Amino acid sequence: QVQLLQSGAEVKKPGASVKVSCKASGFTLTSYYMHWVRQAPGQGLEWMGTFYPSGKSTIYARKFQGRVTMTRDTSTSTIYMELSSLRSEDTAVYYCARGPPLGVTTWFDPWGQGSLVTVSS
Amino acid sequence: DIVMTQSPDSLAVSLGERATINCKSGQSLLYSSNNKNHLAWYQQKPGQPPTLIIYWASTRESGVPDRFSGSGSGTDFTLTISSLQAEDVAVYYCQQYYTTPLTFGGGTKVEIK
Repeated sequence: QVQLLQSGAEVKKPGASVKVSCKASGFTLTSYYMHWVRQAPGQGLEWMGTFYPSGKSTIYARKFQGRVTMTRDTSTSTIYMELSSLRSEDTAVYYCARGPPLGVTTWFDPWGQGSLVTVSS
Repeated sequence: DIVMTQSPDSLAVSLGERATINCKSGQSLLYSSNNKNHLAWYQQKPGQPPTLIIYWASTRESGVPDRFSGSGSGTDFTLTISSLQAEDVAVYYCQQYYTTPLTFGGGTKVEIK
């Protein structure tokens, strides 16, 4: 079955970077748009950006441009999201999610289980 | 950016009663080229990721009970749970996928009265 398995929780200091992984199974990663969405504690959902199936393009939310990098390793069917210059406001659960092969502008289904990133000095 | 506004923030409904959640978008989500509303609904239970329940504003995802229904067009949308069950206690989010940045409503918490 389609599954997205994310890496474990991380604790980082302000100014550091974090790289979260999302391993896909049950489908061909290179055929789908893959998204990253985050959720701060007790807050709502925030789209961060999308990695295109071609592997050649990404689109990032304006808020994260310059700080976020999304990549993919097709040999391990894994996508990555790296966020740099971390600050306390980046403390959140980070989700990867698949979109149907209709383009960037779609719904998200399924979602990974989430990876908690805590930024604290 | 398209702002999505949900109401109410929370609601308490008796078991077996109807729950209605509203979502209003800052601009029309009706795409002229396919005549579809680019809106989805998600359910999120505590400690779990969101799960898709409705897309194209009214298409129920496979496996979702038929007590869940979506309606609306343009800028005003509704998620209805026709007969609330205990397992429906969750936070519900709407999401527009008309354009980037993809944006979500603030969420509506549904509880049992």
